[in-house]
Parts: sequence; structure tokens; C-alpha cells
Amino acid sequence: DIQMTQSPSSLSASVGDRVTITCRASQSISSFLNWYQQKPGKAPKLLLYAASSLQSGVPSRFSGSGSGTDFTLTISSLQPEDFATYYCQQSYSPPRTFGQGTKVEVK
Amino acid sequence: EVQLVESGGGLVQPGRSLRLSCSASGFTFSSYEMNWVRQAPGKGLEWVSHISSSVSTIYYADSVKGRFTISRDNAKNSLYLQMNSLRAEDTAVYYCARGNGYYRHFDYWGQGTLVTVSS
Repeated sequence: DIQMTQSPSSLSASVGDRVTITCRASQSISSFLNWYQQKPGKAPKLLLYAASSLQSGVPSRFSGSGSGTDFTLTISSLQPEDFATYYCQQSYSPPRTFGQGTKVEVK
Repeated sequence: EVQLVESGGGLVQPGRSLRLSCSASGFTFSSYEMNWVRQAPGKGLEWVSHISSSVSTIYYADSVKGRFTISRDNAKNSLYLQMNSLRAEDTAVYYCARGNGYYRHFDYWGQGTLVTVSS
């Protein structure tokens, strides 16, 4: 099975900060990497797919990069509504594993 | 508008069974793969199972293999998860999610249904 490892597990940031979250796959997954945002008590929401493609309706301050085993999610200027938990997920092969999550908290 | 609505969750004793349903609307259900994803209280997301649009491929997480069965009824726009021999560690919110396109990303999710396994 492909293991997905996110770092950091949590971070504290302020509105306006640039935030970067990394995700590493245990083997190459090409660009089969997706990012989700989840707020407490809500279902996850797709942000980016194919490593860098922005889902319709998602603000352009979110961006993604990487291929193979190393990926990043960047929020260029953190907004109040962005405080949430972020998950990466590989869709290269089953099981379609998620990372453990990165909680973005108010500094 | 795409909608996914789960139902069937509740409190169940260990070793018993439960069947979850996911009702889909707003898209051509028969054209999309579907998935179940769960989240234990205070924990991260865990992919559970996948079924292709034509039911030609089905996958399960090792943690549920042999106990859970995914199925779908394209005529009824519905996805199901039959859960047998339930354990305390199956306690979670269960989400259905649509898989889309070549990259199989989960672009729409239901609101989730809570399954609690406890005596």
C-alpha cells in the first residue's frame, strides 16, 4: 500500500501569512495527488486535483505543485475562512490513502 | 445541483450488521465511480471502499475486507455499504463521495452518517 505522510501535523499562522503544507508518498504516484479541506463537523471539500489543478470555485490563493513522491499545497495569503484541516490523498492505486492531516490554527 | 445524501447510520452492538445508503441526484449516477470514506471521532479520513460505474471493479481497505460489501443500484441512483461483524473500531462518520475523471478525485461528498458500535 502507498503511505502518505503530511508535514507538519499542525501549524499556527496569522491572516495574510503564506502557508505551505507538504505531502510525501511512499512510492511514485505521478500526479495522482488531491488536496481536501475540512472544517469541524463538515464533509471534506476538494481543493485541488492532479497535484495542481484548482477545483472549480476554489479561490486562486490555493495552489499545488509536485509530482512523483513530493507535493506541496500553498495558501498564498491566509484568510479567516482557511483555518481548517487539510488532507492529501493519492488516487494512483487502491487503497486510495489519505495523509494524516494538517491542522491550520490561529496564531 | 449534485447532491449525495447518506442514511442508515445509528447505534449498533458489536458483531451486528448495518446497511448504509447514499442517494445521489443532480448528475448521471451510472457514469461515475463511487466511494465510501470514514472518519473516526477526532481522527483523520480513511478510505473504505470503491465501486466503479459499471460494478466491474470493487476495492476495499484491508480493515474492512471480508466484513463490508459495497454495491450500487444505478436504476435507483443509490450506493450502499453493507457492514457485517461490526467492531468498536468501525465507529465513525461514513461519507459517500463521487470519484471523477482520470485522476479519480473525490469532487462531491455527502454530509455523512454516524455509525456507533457499542454495547
